[in-house]
Amino acid sequence: GAGVSQTPSNKVTEKGKYVELRCDPISGHTALYWYRQSLGQGPEFLIYFQGTGAADDSGLPNDRFFAVRPEGSVSTLKIQRTERGDSAVYLCASSTGYPTDTQYFGPGTRLTVL
Amino acid sequence: TQLLEQSPQFLSIQEGENLTVYCNSSSVFSSLQWYRQEPGEGPVLLVTVVTGGEVKKLKRLTFQFGDARKDSSLHITAAQPGDTGLYLCAGEMNTGNQFYFGTGTSLTVIP
Repeated sequence: GAGVSQTPSNKVTEKGKYVELRCDPISGHTALYWYRQSLGQGPEFLIYFQGTGAADDSGLPNDRFFAVRPEGSVSTLKIQRTERGDSAVYLCASSTGYPTDTQYFGPGTRLTVL
Repeated sequence: TQLLEQSPQFLSIQEGENLTVYCNSSSVFSSLQWYRQEPGEGPVLLVTVVTGGEVKKLKRLTFQFGDARKDSSLHITAAQPGDTGLYLCAGEMNTGNQFYFGTGTSLTVIP
């Protein structure tokens, strides 16, 4: 079956612009995670959804970052007034939601803010 | 915030050599996972350990979870060029399904 997909694969934007990053999880997976990864570093947790609700958004760096999952499937990460420091690979993962269950990662969206 | 520190950060070895990667924290985790990530792709799960002192073997890879569930190690025997990649540990705390990733170890195996 299809894995986790993310679009776009690359996004180049200018400082101050608004961007949306999309994640399509594996069908039936109730848990969805967003991470941010800088070059050569481990992923940094941003937000975790269980169904439609954000179960934990403690990793969002500030109020410019927001994520939604209105129907419990596709999720969108939204970044307002982008800054150069937002440049990174944004990874999405999904799982069945059971404890210690496997997270399946998408290939990521590489965001570059000029 | 990355609660898990990995060492070494970079490792370049010859094919056939053995290596160990360490993952350390001052926090206690309910489970710990190891992933391998290749350029342009997301991390792929290798193993999950849940019991303090647990040892799991996956072909040439041996994973150990510390007795106090604060640290872990990954040992690779007779490394091959196909083992090249970024190795990441990730710990899950008792508070929920949030995973904290380590700082990563970039491994290069030279043919």
